[in-house]
Amino acid sequence: GDSVTQMEGPVTLSEEAFLTINCTYTATGYPSLFWYVQYPGEGLQLLLKATKADDKGSNKGFEATYRKETTSFHLEKGSVQVSDSAVYFCALPSNSGYALNFGKGTSLLVTP
Amino acid sequence: DGGITQSPKYLFRKEGQNVTLSCEQNLNHDAMYWYRQDPGQGLRLIYYSQIVNDFQKGDIAEGYSVSREKKESFPLTVTSAQKNPTAFYLCASRPQGATGELFFGEGSRLTVL
Repeated sequence: GDSVTQMEGPVTLSEEAFLTINCTYTATGYPSLFWYVQYPGEGLQLLLKATKADDKGSNKGFEATYRKETTSFHLEKGSVQVSDSAVYFCALPSNSGYALNFGKGTSLLVTP
Repeated sequence: DGGITQSPKYLFRKEGQNVTLSCEQNLNHDAMYWYRQDPGQGLRLIYYSQIVNDFQKGDIAEGYSVSREKKESFPLTVTSAQKNPTAFYLCASRPQGATGELFFGEGSRLTVL
């Protein structure tokens, strides 16, 4: 079935460093793609999404571009903050279309 | 404020006991979901429901049961048949027509002693 593969963490960065978290997908067609974020002790919340190829999703300084040539949807941020420390999940719709399939998550720790 | 409420936040149970996790939403969403989260494994779908009185098994439904008697409520029962129930359980909902955009509760952490 359709799936996503994320880079394994944990990722540790200093404040103001550049962030990239890799995500590649396997799917029939061109599904919508999502990044969710989970702060410590909380549920997930949608960070950004892209609904078609070449779309760029952005929110809170994070960006991700839907690239069908490389089947990728990498998450980037130019300057991370301590408050960005969280687990980030890449996701796409399940084959049924009713649910989401998530990657395993990438833990990010930003140190002052 | 609208949202999803899961309770309890933390739960301990002895082996062999069933336990029910509550999920209530006041977002008027049609679809509701239960996911299980384990370290290093991401989220796995247990059950989902598109409408009242109807639900479907997800990828790891064995040892779990659900009901959907009201639009607002989607409780999950972890039965004694679930071999490894210690995990973080997340409930989510989705408005009709919004492909992929799930709204999550804050989760319930179940520990089996």
